[in-house]
Amino acid sequence: AQSVAQPEDQVNVAEGNPLTVKCTYSVSGNPYLFWYVQYPNRGLQFLLKYITGDNLVKGSYGFEAEFNKSQTSFHLKKPSALVSDSALYFCADSTLTFGKGTMLLVSP
Amino acid sequence: NAGVTQTPKFRVLKTGQSMTLLCAQDMNHEYMYWYRQDPGMGLRLIHYSVGEGTTAKGEVPDGYNVSRLKKQNFLLGLESAAPSQTSVYFCASSYGEEAREQFFGPGTRLTVL
Repeated sequence: AQSVAQPEDQVNVAEGNPLTVKCTYSVSGNPYLFWYVQYPNRGLQFLLKYITGDNLVKGSYGFEAEFNKSQTSFHLKKPSALVSDSALYFCADSTLTFGKGTMLLVSP
Repeated sequence: NAGVTQTPKFRVLKTGQSMTLLCAQDMNHEYMYWYRQDPGMGLRLIHYSVGEGTTAKGEVPDGYNVSRLKKQNFLLGLESAAPSQTSVYFCASSYGEEAREQFFGPGTRLTVL
């Protein structure tokens, strides 16, 4: 069974609105979790990671993610979306398993 | 500092042909990885290496071989290409600890006819 799941193929949000991209995990113990972003025809870029400590992790480009152990989730969030945030987002864990990706489309 | 580079960027093969994809990194990373990306499938690990001279199988290793003769290079070989190997291939590298993020190359788009 996949240890990382992204339940949404696509998320649509208007510019200026908050965004959430969902990720759930099933790795036992204390997981290490990551978010990456992929722009068209590019490789993946690291955004942020959770190792231990504060459940709210801040990363690049104003993104943050909330680790929730009881819900086994690690959702990516941003308070105010930009059109330039439109890209493919991947959640991953330390077993080198990636989610299938969620396409984020931010409309002007 | 070039990061992770991949050669070639594009390639078209006929069924049965062979080729080698080259990945190079200049960050002195111990770990290197090869993934394939297919629509709706996300990234799947083909092979990885935890150090010079060592390799290990990932989730989808069949039809591929790898070598890590130098720390900075990780080669992915297709001995007899099949249409099912049409994909975008990404190389990545990282420091050794599992909490470390990966750095990705720009990808190689391979089409097998």
